[in-house]
Amino acid sequence: DAKTTQPPSMDCAEGRAANLPCNHSTISGNEYVYWYRQIHSQGPQYIIHGLKNNETNEMASLIITEDRKSSTLILPHATLRDTAVYYCIVRDQGGSEKLVFGKGTKLTVNP
Amino acid sequence: ETGVTQTPRHLVMGMTNKKSLKCEQHLGHNAMYWYKQSAKKPLELMFVYNFKEQTENNSVPSRFSPECPNSSHLFLHLHTLQPEDSALYLCASSQDLGWSIQQYFGPGTRLTVT
Repeated sequence: DAKTTQPPSMDCAEGRAANLPCNHSTISGNEYVYWYRQIHSQGPQYIIHGLKNNETNEMASLIITEDRKSSTLILPHATLRDTAVYYCIVRDQGGSEKLVFGKGTKLTVNP
Repeated sequence: ETGVTQTPRHLVMGMTNKKSLKCEQHLGHNAMYWYKQSAKKPLELMFVYNFKEQTENNSVPSRFSPECPNSSHLFLHLHTLQPEDSALYLCASSQDLGWSIQQYFGPGTRLTVT
């Protein structure tokens, strides 16, 4: 069963913020929200993760709603190199459960 | 650079050939993974190793044979493959199975079976 729902594709203008949504309405209290991305023909790359609070690192910001049923990954100033498939994954931080990548959102950054 | 390297980056092989894919991680991790990514499909987990021991075989055909001589190296031996095995093969590592959510991926080997 898919734990997350993401739009299949989005477009963004270069230099503008890219806001990628993810719905995870069945998330449980101990599950984190993780984001990965995969640039064409490369391995997936970890971006950011969070539990309840909003998080920011050098790559992106993660905004999690108060009820934790959805989140948004924000790339503040998208560049052409940010064109990739972005995956939102919900899972316990520990444990040996498989890391399951769904279909993700194909983000295209246009010049 | 993620600290995970894979060689070769590209490989073309015939159905009767035998070849091997190599993965090396320089992160001091204990868990390593092989994934397959076919065109327009999600990543498929193939094998999981933890402290050199195989902990998961995700119903992979026997023509794919993994080997993990130590925690830093992982191989995927290939023999008598089929054209439908053409795909991007990705290696990943994590601190251990308990931290499998945060994996570091290599660049992949693009395999074409002719």
